[in-house]
Amino acid sequence: AQKVTQAQTEISVVEKEDVTLDCVYETRDTTYYLFWYKQPPSGELVFLIRRNSFDEQNEISGRYSWNFQKSTSSFNFTITASQVVDSAVYFCALSGTNTGNQFYFGTGTSLTVIP
Amino acid sequence: DTAVSQTPKYLVTQMGNDKSIKCEQNLGHDTMYWYKQDSKKFLKIMFSYNNKELIINETVPNRFSPKSPDKAHLNLHINSLELGDSAVYFCASSLWGPGNIQYFGAGTRLSVL
Repeated sequence: AQKVTQAQTEISVVEKEDVTLDCVYETRDTTYYLFWYKQPPSGELVFLIRRNSFDEQNEISGRYSWNFQKSTSSFNFTITASQVVDSAVYFCALSGTNTGNQFYFGTGTSLTVIP
Repeated sequence: DTAVSQTPKYLVTQMGNDKSIKCEQNLGHDTMYWYKQDSKKFLKIMFSYNNKELIINETVPNRFSPKSPDKAHLNLHINSLELGDSAVYFCASSLWGPGNIQYFGAGTRLSVL
């Protein structure tokens, strides 16, 4: 079974604080892919990052960084020096290799950055 | 140029009516999807098509019928609309194959009165 858990439903931070969004996944596939998407208040879903299960290197893109740890089945997302424009709902998703391209989304974490 | 476009963006209708949502992608993808996002923001896959063939058909009422005339289009027709159908419907597309990124349209907000 494939499952993604985002235990944090809502997070509020003050601008310029760092914030980490947690994502824990379950899968029996040995090869799988993890994704993060952002849904700002305007409603569209924006792709942020994809990792495959063989690449555990952490990734940094500007103020965004991702920590992939297979040992704890986690793929956490950190925003450094948060800004008001980071306010959005963030979704973590999992895709296996025998699931017909299906994505399994977490329930999302709503981040509010307070100016 | 919009990569995945859905029309209409908003749809307000009465219970019992029939409505359609259209989706088109110009990314050259061969796989398209419909998702439903409820009021709690939960995203649920409804259907997926690969090269016009139905691949995923989750537990969705028969009132929902997808149609894919070609690889670039996937439309969603809903019969006898109910209050519980009110949601945001997202179309997405990708290349077929594990781990390919799905690109989403802007969504269609359906309100059934």
